[in-house]
Amino acid sequence: NAGVTQTPKFRVLKTGQSMTLLCAQDMNHEYMYWYRQDPGMGLRLIHYSVGEGTTAKGEVPDGYNVSRLKKQNFLLGLESAAPSQTSVYFCASRRQSSYNEQFFGPGTRLTVL
Amino acid sequence: DAKTTQPTSMDCAEGRAANLPCNHSTISGNEYVYWYRQIHSQGPQYIIHGLKNNETNEMASLIITEDRKSSTLILPHATLRDTAVYYCIVGVQHGSSNTGKLIFGQGTTLQVKP
Repeated sequence: NAGVTQTPKFRVLKTGQSMTLLCAQDMNHEYMYWYRQDPGMGLRLIHYSVGEGTTAKGEVPDGYNVSRLKKQNFLLGLESAAPSQTSVYFCASRRQSSYNEQFFGPGTRLTVL
Repeated sequence: DAKTTQPTSMDCAEGRAANLPCNHSTISGNEYVYWYRQIHSQGPQYIIHGLKNNETNEMASLIITEDRKSSTLILPHATLRDTAVYYCIVGVQHGSSNTGKLIFGQGTTLQVKP
């Protein structure tokens, strides 16, 4: 049981490049979330999903797109990366029927030059 | 969701109890208090949650005042591994109508010292 995994762990992009971050969970959780964390700050919600095929915007969705084609996977895309998107990205998941215990992945450290 | 206020940082001696306060004076009747922590460079970890009553689990205890405007997270015997940023978050609990969005503030950095 791996929990929540994130791929890749590190990435460096040039401004304007695109990339996709993958989040996978093996706990059969319905809800999944993408957060970003800037230095010295708390996490901010980018997008979330309450089930396969559904997504919704969080606090800071601009510049990102997401997809949830399979229940276990939640993808975060950057179509045209900007230096302001340099951050650590965390994915989380939880059961729909549970209290709000979210299980977080180890994070992806992204640098945009 | 109600806003929370926490001290920026605290120190605690190893083996002693760590008491982390949180103010949430605008909490509404159906909102729960959650605590998460984030050890350096890792993803946050759920610790405990509560509504009105005090709660205890294997990690910590949560004391909520009678008026629910503040709470205290207690780590009974802090170890060096408890050094982390602790987040107090207020939100609606569970159910299909709850999207489970967590609003993280800046938290309290707890430094446990030998």
